[in-house]
Amino acid sequence: EAGVTQFPSHSVIEKGQTVTLRCDPISGHDNLYWYRRVMGKEIKFLLHFVKESKQDESGMPNNRFLAERTGGTYSTLKVQPAELEDSGVYFCASSRDTSQETQYFGPGTRLLVL
Amino acid sequence: GNSVTQMEGPVTLSEEAFLTINCTYTATGYPSLFWYVQYPGEGLQLLLKATKADDKGSNKGFEATYRKETTSFHLEKGSVQVSDSAVYFCALLRRGSQGNLIFGKGTKLSVKP
Repeated sequence: EAGVTQFPSHSVIEKGQTVTLRCDPISGHDNLYWYRRVMGKEIKFLLHFVKESKQDESGMPNNRFLAERTGGTYSTLKVQPAELEDSGVYFCASSRDTSQETQYFGPGTRLLVL
Repeated sequence: GNSVTQMEGPVTLSEEAFLTINCTYTATGYPSLFWYVQYPGEGLQLLLKATKADDKGSNKGFEATYRKETTSFHLEKGSVQVSDSAVYFCALLRRGSQGNLIFGKGTKLSVKP
């Protein structure tokens, strides 16, 4: 069984540009989560999809961030326009069922905004 | 609110030394507790978990016991190896939540031969 995959592994962009991150969850996992770790700080929750629906987006920092999961399979997280403080590692995770199920994480996307 | 505090790193040990990484939490209700590990160049992997008080999670020689009275979930290993060098994250999942893990800041462990 393939694990959670994320693309790209690294991205370096300039302030004001747009970047789109992609996450492919484990096949059959209805729950998909995005997290972010800013340098030296905790990994913070961004949002949670159940299939194609946003269950909780309370962690999204502002309206420059847009997440989608059309068709309930892969998800994208777009940052537009990117700011310096958006730099960090963006992790995606998936789980089969809600709540107490183990979440399986991808390798992360390292985003650097210059 | 809900939070996790873990010891600051980095931690540097010699091979076969004893490891303890402290983790304490603040949470409403009785959360599930986790240790995740991130090896260099890889994603987060679940190392072990415990879902109720006095449960002991264990995996790959690592152990952690859910202590409700001290709100702690310290990670221990009796004899570390160079291959254990990684960043370790303590996390909680509030019972009844939608699955939003709350993480500590991570502790980087380096094991020297």
